[in-house]
Amino acid sequence: GESVGLHLPTLSVQEGDNSIINCAYSNSASDYFIWYKQESGKGPQFIIDIRSNMDKRQGQRVTVLLNKTVKHLSLQIAATQPGDSAVYFCAETGGYQKVTFGTGTKLQVIP
Amino acid sequence: DSGVTQTPKHLITATGQRVTLRCSPRSGDLSVYWYQQSLDQGLQFLIHYYNGEERAKGNILERFSAQQFPDLHSELNLSSLELGDSALYFCASSPPRGGRTTDTQYFGPGTRLTVL
Repeated sequence: GESVGLHLPTLSVQEGDNSIINCAYSNSASDYFIWYKQESGKGPQFIIDIRSNMDKRQGQRVTVLLNKTVKHLSLQIAATQPGDSAVYFCAETGGYQKVTFGTGTKLQVIP
Repeated sequence: DSGVTQTPKHLITATGQRVTLRCSPRSGDLSVYWYQQSLDQGLQFLIHYYNGEERAKGNILERFSAQQFPDLHSELNLSSLELGDSALYFCASSPPRGGRTTDTQYFGPGTRLTVL
């Protein structure tokens, strides 16, 4: 069946460095992808999204890249800060489809 | 604070019991989504309602049911509870742009269900 998975369960990054979190998806029909951040004890928080007609989208300190050829999604966080420490999820959906989440990557920022 | 409220925050019950989780979406949002988050299954999409109508269904068990009321709040009913139902249950809402699951979702703080 369709699945969304993450390559790295835990990522440790030095404060000030850039972070890259990766995600692979398998449903070719998905046309909308989202990254969420979840801090301990809280619900997921929307970070950035991208539609399948784009290959890059930038936000404040975050960039999402989409490679439809290899069904790969990445989240780049510039100048990582301690407040970025959280679990990051990618998710895919399309139209009225169900939303499928990846397993999550824990980002640890080392001061 | 996302503006989505969920009650109760914590719920402890026994196997075989039935519980109801409640969600109030952000003001003006017509869509409500339910998710289950457990340690071994991650975040699982359960169901999506838009303005009272079911729009998309995920891997929701037959023991689980949901509805969205005219005032747009939603309830998730879990019955014949099993130990494996212990999880965080999140509700999310999104703005009224047609009820697609591609609309930005705002998550509530969740209800932690413990089944003993």
